[in-house]
Amino acid sequence: GAGVSQTPSNKVTEKGKYVELRCDPISGHTALYWYRQSLGQGPEFLIYFQGTGAADDSGLPNDRFFAVRPEGSVSTLKIQRTERGDSAVYLCASSPLGPTDTQYFGPGTRLTVL
Amino acid sequence: AQSVTQLGSHVSVSEGALVLLRCNYSSSVPPYLFWYVQYPNQGLQLLLKYTSAATLVKGINGFEAEFKKSETSFHLTKPSAHMRDAAEYFCALERGSQGNLIFGKGTKLSVKP
Repeated sequence: GAGVSQTPSNKVTEKGKYVELRCDPISGHTALYWYRQSLGQGPEFLIYFQGTGAADDSGLPNDRFFAVRPEGSVSTLKIQRTERGDSAVYLCASSPLGPTDTQYFGPGTRLTVL
Repeated sequence: AQSVTQLGSHVSVSEGALVLLRCNYSSSVPPYLFWYVQYPNQGLQLLLKYTSAATLVKGINGFEAEFKKSETSFHLTKPSAHMRDAAEYFCALERGSQGNLIFGKGTKLSVKP
């Protein structure tokens, strides 16, 4: 079956611009996670959705970052007033129910802020 | 606080040699532990996971890991390396009750012919 997909695969933007990154989880998975992977580092947790609601957003670095999952499937990560330090690979993962389930990762979106 | 430490950012082995990638964790509660592999330009793929059942966990592609509570370790091994094993490997710990993962910094495995 289809895995987790993320679009775009690459995004180049200028400092100060707004970007949206999309994640399509595996069909039927209720849990969805966003992570950010900077160069030379492991992924770092950003936000966790259970259904439509954000169950844990403690990893969002500041109020420029926001994510939604309005219908409990597709999720969008939104970054306002981008900064060069936001450059990273943004990973999305989904799992059938949530905690203790295997998380299936998408290929990521590489964001470059010039 | 929970954390994961991977010893060695880069490991190089010869084809056919033993692979040993080290992971130590810190957790105040019984941990769920994972190893993921990331091939170039691909997403993370689960190799294996420990969820408090058997301490020796077998995964895909001939990898296994042993949970040692006394050493707070979860090292990944494979008896004989193949060229296709060249990739980056991440150890991860599940945090709390929400399921989000805490990852180590990763170990890049190179396999020499």
